[in-house]
Amino acid sequence: NAGVTQTPKFQVLKTGQSMTLQCAQDMNHNSMYWYRQDPGMGLRLIYYSASEGTTDKGEVPNGYNVSRLNKREFSLRLESAAPSQTSVYFCASSEELSGTGAYEQYFGPGTRLTVT
Amino acid sequence: AQSVTQLDSQVPVFEEAPVELRCNYSSSVSVYLFWYVQYPNQGLQLLLKYLSGSTLVESINGFEAEFNKSQTSFHLRKPSVHISDTAEYFCAVTGNPSGAGSYQLTFGKGTKLSVIP
Repeated sequence: NAGVTQTPKFQVLKTGQSMTLQCAQDMNHNSMYWYRQDPGMGLRLIYYSASEGTTDKGEVPNGYNVSRLNKREFSLRLESAAPSQTSVYFCASSEELSGTGAYEQYFGPGTRLTVT
Repeated sequence: AQSVTQLDSQVPVFEEAPVELRCNYSSSVSVYLFWYVQYPNQGLQLLLKYLSGSTLVESINGFEAEFNKSQTSFHLRKPSVHISDTAEYFCAVTGNPSGAGSYQLTFGKGTKLSVIP
């Protein structure tokens, strides 16, 4: 049981280049999320997918697109990278804590992206 | 809308001393509260959570947090810290469990705990 996996671990892009960050979970969770983490800013939600076939914008969606490929996989795409997108990106998935209506999130190890 | 305030961005403490990391939240609805820990160059791991019942919750490695509804706080404490506790700690809140968005978490900006030998 690998949990949440992300690829790649590190990436350097030049301004204007595009790339896709991959995320997969093997816990059969319905909900998946993409966050970015910047120093002193905590985690900010970029996009989320409450269930397979649905995606919604989070707090900071500009410059990103997502695809919920199937229940396991949720990718994040940068169409034209900018230096402001230099960050650490985390994928997460969640399940409902039985009978509570609360959701516990499980995080991947992160992708460190630098845009020059 | 919900928000989480972690009052200290950095907390240095000597090994074996007690520590308190403060968290206050703002919400107009019932909440569930979480503390996550991030060790250097790793992802976030759940440390403990408050859902209902006893307002004092504990983790397996000696941390505890107390939900105080009147003060809208969920402070994290440990009576004696170890070097291995050096990490960044994030407080998070989720909203009305019967409403839309209950699966979303709002995070604080984090508190870096540095344990000094």
